[in-house]
Amino acid sequence: SQTIHQWPATLVQPVGSPLSLECTVEGTSNPNLYWYRQAAGRGLQLLFYSVGIGQISSEVPQNLSASRPQDRQFILSSKKLLLSDSGFYLCACELAGDTDTQYFGPGTRLTVL
Amino acid sequence: AQSVTQPDIHITVSEGASLELRCNYSYGATPYLFWYVQSPGQGLQLLLKYFSGDTLVQGIKGFEAEFKRSQSSFNLRKPSVHWSDAAEYFCAVGGPSNDYKLSFGAGTTVTVRA
Repeated sequence: SQTIHQWPATLVQPVGSPLSLECTVEGTSNPNLYWYRQAAGRGLQLLFYSVGIGQISSEVPQNLSASRPQDRQFILSSKKLLLSDSGFYLCACELAGDTDTQYFGPGTRLTVL
Repeated sequence: AQSVTQPDIHITVSEGASLELRCNYSYGATPYLFWYVQSPGQGLQLLLKYFSGDTLVQGIKGFEAEFKRSQSSFNLRKPSVHWSDAAEYFCAVGGPSNDYKLSFGAGTTVTVRA
């Protein structure tokens, strides 16, 4: 079965600093990958998704970006963090043999001060 | 456009009592429906899903959900809750008409009292 890793688990960053969050997937090949943000007391907002290496679709325009340098690696980045970027970031994947169902990683808690 | 409404922000239930969480969706065709559970500080775990077929779906941890097209609902139920069921529950909808991207409800927090 697949395993989704996210790191770091928690992160505290000052406003204006850069960001890099990493998601890696084991146990599958060519998965569809997703980045979500969960703000306190709210549901999940889809930020980016990728159907393959180098292929990124953005759902919400903002100061975040995503990249997929390898088949099972998905990175969320920012050049300058805003206070509003604080939240819980979740990576999800769809498996090649179980499409249309998303499985989630453990998440990264980001606090921007 | 697709969307999900979870009318109950917070539900408190006694251990051993039954639980029902409501979910109403908006989707232009036959939806793909999901329930996820999230413990504090953790990722989301898939409880069950509905794509087609039998409208009563069994999931993990003793949960079940019923798809009712006429009511645009997909309510989650458990006959007898355990203290470990205290968590936040999310309903989600997706499907081919939106490239299978999911839309989530705002969630329902379940508190279990002894």
